[in-house]
Amino acid sequence: DGGITQSPKYLFRKEGQNVTLSCEQNLNHDAMYWYRQDPGQGLRLIYYSQIVNDFQKGDIAEGYSVSREKKESFPLTVTSAQKNPTAFYLCASTTPGGWNTIYFGEGSWLTVV
Amino acid sequence: KNQVEQSPQSLIILEGKNCTLQCNYTVSPFSNLRWYKQDTGRGPVSLTIMTFSENTKSNGRYTATLDADTKQSSLHITASQLSDSASYICVVTSLLITGANNLFFGTGTRLTVIP
Repeated sequence: DGGITQSPKYLFRKEGQNVTLSCEQNLNHDAMYWYRQDPGQGLRLIYYSQIVNDFQKGDIAEGYSVSREKKESFPLTVTSAQKNPTAFYLCASTTPGGWNTIYFGEGSWLTVV
Repeated sequence: KNQVEQSPQSLIILEGKNCTLQCNYTVSPFSNLRWYKQDTGRGPVSLTIMTFSENTKSNGRYTATLDADTKQSSLHITASQLSDSASYICVVTSLLITGANNLFFGTGTRLTVIP
């Protein structure tokens, strides 16, 4: 079955460490997105990519980095520059255009210890 | 400013009852409006997607309405079940010049269905 897979589901990070969240999709979607979700707030866009080897900053890109070397993969690195990284992270993908269903992964919980 | 506001913030209903969730938006230009269901700690799952020309769209016990003039949408849940307990998120799509979707998320309504 096609879908989006995020890993790990739970991740603990020490202060000053970089961590990478994985997002893989086998839906043949061109566009992929990373969102951050905090309690009581709507999802906020971190980065998005419409094609391989191209990506754009979202509303809260500071302290994060991404790569898009393959169509299927869009990993997110939370760097030590992100001062408040504890959150729920969601990856999404879709085909370009406004009318297509946007599919979300199951999310990754990141906690700083 | 592009915003999506949902009400109520939370709602508790008895199993079998109906309920209606509200979404008001100020996003422009408007492309479409989506309703998602999100279980705690899970990714959102699409319920409906509506364009400005669609007034009503149903998906099983879920019925979404859209008034593009007043920029309001509602999600009506009929004969609620315990499994309906979740957060319901309203998402308004605008298209960027690049063609990418620009999504604006509401903060969601937390629905709890009790026996």
